[in-house]
Amino acid sequence: KAGVTQTPRYLIKTRGQQVTLSCSPISGHRSVSWYQQTPGQGLQFLFEYFSETQRNKGNFPGRFSGRQFSNSRSEMNVSTLELGDSALYLCASSVFVGHMNTEAFFGQGTRLTVV
Amino acid sequence: GESVGLHLPTLSVQEGDNSIINCAYSNSASDYFIWYKQESGKGPQFIIDIRSNMDKRQGQRVTVLLNKTVKHLSLQIAATQPGDSAVYFCAEGDPNTGNQFYFGTGTSLTVIP
Repeated sequence: KAGVTQTPRYLIKTRGQQVTLSCSPISGHRSVSWYQQTPGQGLQFLFEYFSETQRNKGNFPGRFSGRQFSNSRSEMNVSTLELGDSALYLCASSVFVGHMNTEAFFGQGTRLTVV
Repeated sequence: GESVGLHLPTLSVQEGDNSIINCAYSNSASDYFIWYKQESGKGPQFIIDIRSNMDKRQGQRVTVLLNKTVKHLSLQIAATQPGDSAVYFCAEGDPNTGNQFYFGTGTSLTVIP
């Protein structure tokens, strides 16, 4: 089974621009979560999608948004980029079983650098 | 304000020794816990998980212990190898918040050959 695939792996953007990151979950997994990882804040939850609906959202500004498609692939978008948005953005996919948490498997991440 | 990097706890062990990495959690509603290993430049890799109805779970060379009374989790790695050098994170899941996980700050493990 293929793992979680994130594209692109690396990205350099200028302040004020916007960026879209993509995540393809493990086949059969319907829950996709996004996390931001920085040296200063560690791993922080952005949002989770299941069946094309956002189920949870972390404490991030509205510039951070996402969506999920019918094939479970997900994208996240960051608009009006700031220097502080430089981070490793990680996507995790899970099988959703009722209301129980299940294993989350991570992709390699997209390293975003804002200059 | 000035951004301060997280101070990662560090652990250095000799190759072949056992390692114990600890984690404290704060949410009493958390009922599912995962240990991840993250190597430089890679995403977190799932190691082992445990649900709150268990105290102990064993995998290949790894054991996770859960003490719900004091909200403490530990990861034991037997016969530590150089390839075990990485940052280890514990993550807790609260079923009331979907499949969202809260991550600890991580522990940097260095295995000395």
